[in-house]
Amino acid sequence: RKEVEQDPGPFNVPEGATVAFNCTYSNSASQSFFWYRQDCRKEPKLLMSVYSSGNEDGRFTAQLNRASQYISLLIRDSKLSDSATYLCVVILTGTASKLTFGTGTRLQVTL
Amino acid sequence: DAGVTQSPTHLIKTRGQQVTLRCSPKSGHDTVSWYQQALGQGPQFIFQYYEEEERQRGNFPDRFSGHQFPNYSSELNVNALLLGDSALYLCASSLRGRADTQYFGPGTRLTVL
Repeated sequence: RKEVEQDPGPFNVPEGATVAFNCTYSNSASQSFFWYRQDCRKEPKLLMSVYSSGNEDGRFTAQLNRASQYISLLIRDSKLSDSATYLCVVILTGTASKLTFGTGTRLQVTL
Repeated sequence: DAGVTQSPTHLIKTRGQQVTLRCSPKSGHDTVSWYQQALGQGPQFIFQYYEEEERQRGNFPDRFSGHQFPNYSSELNVNALLLGDSALYLCASSLRGRADTQYFGPGTRLTVL
């Protein structure tokens, strides 16, 4: 079983739609959680950290459910510029800044 | 303030050859991590360096080795290249123990023929 699992998509949504991505992780010792965004043939960039209480950054909302070992990302009012691959990332306790990535979920926002 | 830089941007090698990739961290960062990203996959952790020593290692064979220099820059060496080593190699720099400060370079795309 993979340490971090994501639906690879693609998710094709029209502009203005709301879209949600899910991610599950297998190791209960995971301590930190992030969403990264990766544009085609570019490097990953940190989108947002994910906190137990849930957190929001503009149109983006991230949620963490430690009991179910589940992370989500909600994007409201999708823009064409949101088209990218969204990578779910966890850090295991005691592994400092070693990032463990999911395979990513591809989002395509269309007119 | 320059971000993370990597060289070269692209590289083509043949099976059995050796390759060296280079990374300069973001100013002020002391930790460098290397990742391999195969097509359609998420990045996979190779190893991490700080204070010029390898501190953590992922599930990669000994053909993958590295080095960190006193100025915090780093090299990734891969010996006896295989076709399966074709991938995007990403360098990430951070402050020691601070994952939320981790920034990635643009990567080196390695093709092994």
